Amino acid sequence: DTGVSQDPRHKITKRGQNVTFRCDPISEHNRLYWYRQTLGQGPEFLTYFQNEAQLEKSRLLSDRFSAERPKGSFSTLEIQRTEQGDSAMYLCASSDRLAGHNEQFFGPGTRLTVL
Amino acid sequence: AQSVTQPDIHITVSEGASLELRCNYSYGATPYLFWYVQSPGQGLQLLLKYFSGDTLVQGIKGFEAEFKRSQSSFNLRKPSVHWSDAAEYFCAVGSNTGKLIFGQGTTLQVKP
Repeated sequence: DTGVSQDPRHKITKRGQNVTFRCDPISEHNRLYWYRQTLGQGPEFLTYFQNEAQLEKSRLLSDRFSAERPKGSFSTLEIQRTEQGDSAMYLCASSDRLAGHNEQFFGPGTRLTVL
Repeated sequence: AQSVTQPDIHITVSEGASLELRCNYSYGATPYLFWYVQSPGQGLQLLLKYFSGDTLVQGIKGFEAEFKRSQSSFNLRKPSVHWSDAAEYFCAVGSNTGKLIFGQGTTLQVKP
């Protein structure tokens, strides 16, 4: 078990470009979460999946953001037409609903810088 | 609404001194409570968790936390801090829909 992995670790882009991040959860974990963390703040929930179903989305997730988990394994988070305010660390976490009580295991994050 | 408050944004302690980081939560039902630690540029590592039962929970790296329902608190403690404990610490409550709600964090600095 290699833990939760995220790719890329860092992304620098220009305003208006689209970016996509990938998250690979711990094998067999059926829940996958995305959070956003800005400097000096705690992580804020964006969305989560149980298997391939997206069950909850935060109001933070504007229509420029879309997330998928097509086969219930890895997930992607896409941001279209990036803005400078999107600069943040994007964290992915996974949990096993049956074992979990919401115990989530986090990946190292993808740091996005929008110029 | 569910929320977590960490009143201390920044704490400095001397190496070997004791530590207490405060956390207050607002949640309607019995909460699931967590403490995570984050080193610079890294993801979050779970230190300890409370679901039910004994209100004093032990975690990794010598940390413990005590759940006090009457005070809506879940403070993190360590009897003797090491220089490697310098990091950012986050308290979180687990909601009934699965997501975690985090406090804004406390940055711990350790003086030699």
